[in-house]
Amino acid sequence: QVQLVQSGAEVKKPGASVKVSCKASGYTFTSFYLHWVRQAPGQGPEWMGIISPSGGSATYAQKFQGRVSMTRDTPTSTVYMELSSLRSEDTAVYYCARDQGSSGYDYWGQGTLVTVSS
Amino acid sequence: DIQMTQSPSSLSASVGDRVTITCRASQGISYYLTWYQQKPGKVPKVLIYAASNLQSGVPSRFSGSGSGTDFTLTISSLQPEDVATYYCQKDHSAPFTFGPGTKVDIK
Repeated sequence: QVQLVQSGAEVKKPGASVKVSCKASGYTFTSFYLHWVRQAPGQGPEWMGIISPSGGSATYAQKFQGRVSMTRDTPTSTVYMELSSLRSEDTAVYYCARDQGSSGYDYWGQGTLVTVSS
Repeated sequence: DIQMTQSPSSLSASVGDRVTITCRASQGISYYLTWYQQKPGKVPKVLIYAASNLQSGVPSRFSGSGSGTDFTLTISSLQPEDVATYYCQKDHSAPFTFGPGTKVDIK
């Protein structure tokens, strides 16, 4: 069965960086794009970026340009999202999600809570 | 970047009512629009993709229409289990922007 398993919760200080992992299983890793979406408490989902597991290329939302990096490790079927210069407004649950191909996300990771607090 | 807006931001309706939610894109996006339903503590679930295609397993009381810049999600007969927040999302190419959401509850 398809699974996206994310790394555990993180607590970071303002100005620090965080790196969240998402390990895929149950399907051919290189066949589906993966997205990163975050959701702050009480807010709607916010799209952060997309990565191609086959080629490794990534496209980011303008809001996060210069502060986010998405990478993948094909042998372990894992994608990573690193966000730097953290501020309190980055406190949110971060999700990886599999793109069905112009028809939304069919599988989501369980979410990783990132808390930014001094 | 293309911006997505939704209206209304919230609504309250009776069981059995017809409910309509609107999503507007700041530029034309053809039919590349997905509708999600999100219940508290859960991830968003696809209801409609490519503007008007019902996702497998989704009740037929949900329907979508529109193309270009204006899109609509309709619930033909509101049920108690439809209490949720509904989001539209631009699909197919970056940025995959979400709308701000419409919260639906029962009057």
